[in-house]
Amino acid sequence: EAQVTQNPRYLITVTGKKLTVTCSQNMNHEYMSWYRQDPGLGLRQIYYSMNVEVTDKGDVPEGYKVSRKEKRNFPLILESPSPNQTSLYFCASSLTGNEQFFGPGTRLTVL
Amino acid sequence: GEDVEQSLFLSVREGDSSVINCTYTDSSSTYLYWYKQEPGAGLQLLTYIFSNMDMKQDQRLTVLLNKKDKHLSLRIADTQTGDSAIYFCAVAMDSSYKLIFGSGTRLLVRP
Repeated sequence: EAQVTQNPRYLITVTGKKLTVTCSQNMNHEYMSWYRQDPGLGLRQIYYSMNVEVTDKGDVPEGYKVSRKEKRNFPLILESPSPNQTSLYFCASSLTGNEQFFGPGTRLTVL
Repeated sequence: GEDVEQSLFLSVREGDSSVINCTYTDSSSTYLYWYKQEPGAGLQLLTYIFSNMDMKQDQRLTVLLNKKDKHLSLRIADTQTGDSAIYFCAVAMDSSYKLIFGSGTRLLVRP
């Protein structure tokens, strides 16, 4: 089944404790992206990657890192999480960058 | 930058038609999308339209695009309780890999 998977689905952590949210797609898509969803703000793009080893900042990249060492994986790294990064995070992938397929989401709480 | 606006809430009776509206600011937007988000789930691509089209119909869904007014609408015919969800409008420009989302319209279908 063609899909985008994220792990973990739920995470509660404390301020400053490094964490990684994984994202994997099995559709051989070149393009991958991370978004955060906050009430009343819709989805805002954090980082995107057009292909392996190529990443670029979205609208809200501060406090996040990404890497794209292989086509199928695009992990999101929070080196020192803070409470304002409490949010619902979505990974997406696309063949071309436009019609994007979304993962199920990761709900992160930073205490 | 691009700004995408949607009304927050719509309530309809089962069997009626629903019309969800979206306005955007950048006239160079090339691809316009409608996504559906059910409670606790990721975003599901419903339909999309290219900027050189005025209308697209797909079963119960009709998308209308008024480029002059920068207005996009999604009509759901014979709305069912299973259509209750949040609907997001998103726009992208040909030269950009960035999707700009509206804040979402919550559709409630009353029996």
